[in-house]
Amino acid sequence: NAGVTQTPKFQVLKTGQSMTLQCAQDMNHNSMYWYRQDPGMGLRLIYYSASEGTTDKGEVPNGYNVSRLNKREFSLRLESAAPSQTSVYFCASSESRGEGYGYTFGSGTRLTVV
Amino acid sequence: AQSVTQLDSQVPVFEEAPVELRCNYSSSVSVYLFWYVQYPNQGLQLLLKYLSGSTLVKGINGFEAEFNKSQTSFHLRKPSVHISDTAEYFCAVSNTGGFKTIFGAGTRLFVKA
Repeated sequence: NAGVTQTPKFQVLKTGQSMTLQCAQDMNHNSMYWYRQDPGMGLRLIYYSASEGTTDKGEVPNGYNVSRLNKREFSLRLESAAPSQTSVYFCASSESRGEGYGYTFGSGTRLTVV
Repeated sequence: AQSVTQLDSQVPVFEEAPVELRCNYSSSVSVYLFWYVQYPNQGLQLLLKYLSGSTLVKGINGFEAEFNKSQTSFHLRKPSVHISDTAEYFCAVSNTGGFKTIFGAGTRLFVKA
């Protein structure tokens, strides 16, 4: 089915380890986003890519880096994981960043940092 | 600055009863408004959106929402809920340039038999 695919679905890291969360969309969307979801806090934007070749910080970028590899793929990297990064991470895409298209979300990556 | 407040963190309701999930926003500019649903262990799915025009918006699964500019609200309603509607619902607002979308904290809807 068309949509947003995230890998892995679950991950446990030790403090200080690094990892990359992968995201790919097959809807030819221009814009892609990484959010984290924590209980009672809704979704908070980590980084976004308005179009291929561009990336920008969101609300909570510290401790993360991103790469827009091509139009389909947008990865999120944790260089040195911390317990505060325990969360559920969602990748999303939209046709463009403006004009009210709404987002298509992946099914999430549940990350635990011990 | 924009903000979104979902007034209820949890809403329990019996099956076949009506439900309203409340959302208020603040913004100094014109906005687009969205409701998303998240079923357990899944990503968010767009339920409906208001961009312009009629203030009553119909979405999937029998849900509808009404935009009230004077009260800065966008409440979600369903006349008769099913067990399968048990999920978390998120209200979101973006400025009409669409360059910043803010999500509310979510409302957990529990539908009881």
